[in-house]
Amino acid sequence: DSGVTQTPKHLITATGQRVTLRCSPRSGDLSVYWYQQSLDQGLQFLIQYYNGEERAKGNILERFSAQQFPDLHSELNLSSLELGDSALYFCASSVGLGGRGPGELFFGEGSRLTVL
Amino acid sequence: AQTVTQSQPEMSVQEAETVTLSCTYDTSESDYYLFWYKQPPSRQMILVIRQEAYKQQNATENRFSVNFQKAAKSFSLKISDSQLGDAAMYFCAYRSAKGGNQFYFGTGTSLTVIP
Repeated sequence: DSGVTQTPKHLITATGQRVTLRCSPRSGDLSVYWYQQSLDQGLQFLIQYYNGEERAKGNILERFSAQQFPDLHSELNLSSLELGDSALYFCASSVGLGGRGPGELFFGEGSRLTVL
Repeated sequence: AQTVTQSQPEMSVQEAETVTLSCTYDTSESDYYLFWYKQPPSRQMILVIRQEAYKQQNATENRFSVNFQKAAKSFSLKISDSQLGDAAMYFCAYRSAKGGNQFYFGTGTSLTVIP
């Protein structure tokens, strides 16, 4: 158990719909990351938050948005869903902003989104 | 941006044998961290081993060890006495020691363990 909690674990929805994925980081971790993993693909970095502020943005579509709340949990909102958005969405957390010290990522179990 | 390359999309190994997964990276920095993550069929991402660039000694975690060649920018993972439970996708990752904590992942190597 990594200590990172993601809900829901599975989600099936239709094209054009909107969904929200939720992530609670490990206790004490201030950084939250979102990754997308399509079938048999690698990890695509979407976005990173640190203590409520957006820190880095990757290949995140304009239809997607995220935020990190004062209690440090984060939500990833996916709207106007398309078939190609079907993927495993991972949340990961780390203690801070890296620097000295390993600062490894701890991953949740992922939210599997299926768009029909 | 830094790039991480895993040139072996698939590898296989006989149970109890040893296998080495390759990873190379491109960076102009001298202080950074390298990681190997394992993703079994359950899809959970699990940290296998980490290496600090300023440490000469190769990291070891039980049956897992790395061969870190800083000048060559190479970071391979050796799995000894392979077990069926080692079958997974393995991802190599890089993180700068500078602030920001950006991670760069390779495309992964799928390891099959043959009984």
